[in-house]
Amino acid sequence: DQQVKQNSPSLSVQEGRISILNCDYTNSMFDYFLWYKKYPAEGPTFLISISSIKDKNEDGRFTVFLNKSAKHLSLHIVPSQPGDSAVYFCAAAISGTYKYIFGTGTRLKVLA
Amino acid sequence: ETGVTQSPTHLIKTRGQQVTLRCSSQSGHNTVSWYQQALGQGPQFIFQYYREEENGRGNFPPRFSGLQFPNYSSELNVNALELDDSALYLCASSGSRRGPDTQYFGPGTRLTVL
Repeated sequence: DQQVKQNSPSLSVQEGRISILNCDYTNSMFDYFLWYKKYPAEGPTFLISISSIKDKNEDGRFTVFLNKSAKHLSLHIVPSQPGDSAVYFCAAAISGTYKYIFGTGTRLKVLA
Repeated sequence: ETGVTQSPTHLIKTRGQQVTLRCSSQSGHNTVSWYQQALGQGPQFIFQYYREEENGRGNFPPRFSGLQFPNYSSELNVNALELDDSALYLCASSGSRRGPDTQYFGPGTRLTVL
């Protein structure tokens, strides 16, 4: 039972354009969401998070949007840069518990 | 401030053997979580340690066990290795045992079981 889904295994975007990565979840108890970026041979690097009391959180070029009614979140990267090429994982958690549930990842390729 | 470190980087074992993986948490963090990432999958939660005690466990058999030490470093032990245990093992530290709290990951240990 995959509680967190990233339905697009890969995405290619031109440098300077917007990258939109999507994530869906099924458990309505999740109230904390995160995005991580992973390069080969490295561990996941934290990018940005959002609590369910918000519907948007911004940090520089990265913005996460949360639509609770649709159980959907997305990560926007504007403008995309070649260094953004990596695998992106979304993760969800329930406040007061101890584990993250990860999606299967989306491989983003930013073309120069 | 040092980040999360893991050792060794790579490891090759044979079926039936035992392995110990090590993790040093980020400075100031008292909670360590371990995850298994199989090829093409997202990380899967194994267990978490808070102040030297297991704080929660995912869907992994008892042959996966762990320890946390007074300096908050941690070990993951896997007994009776199986081929399916081949994966990237990730350690993550955080500042509190309860969410929401951001977990910071180490580079991982790549385990290959032959």
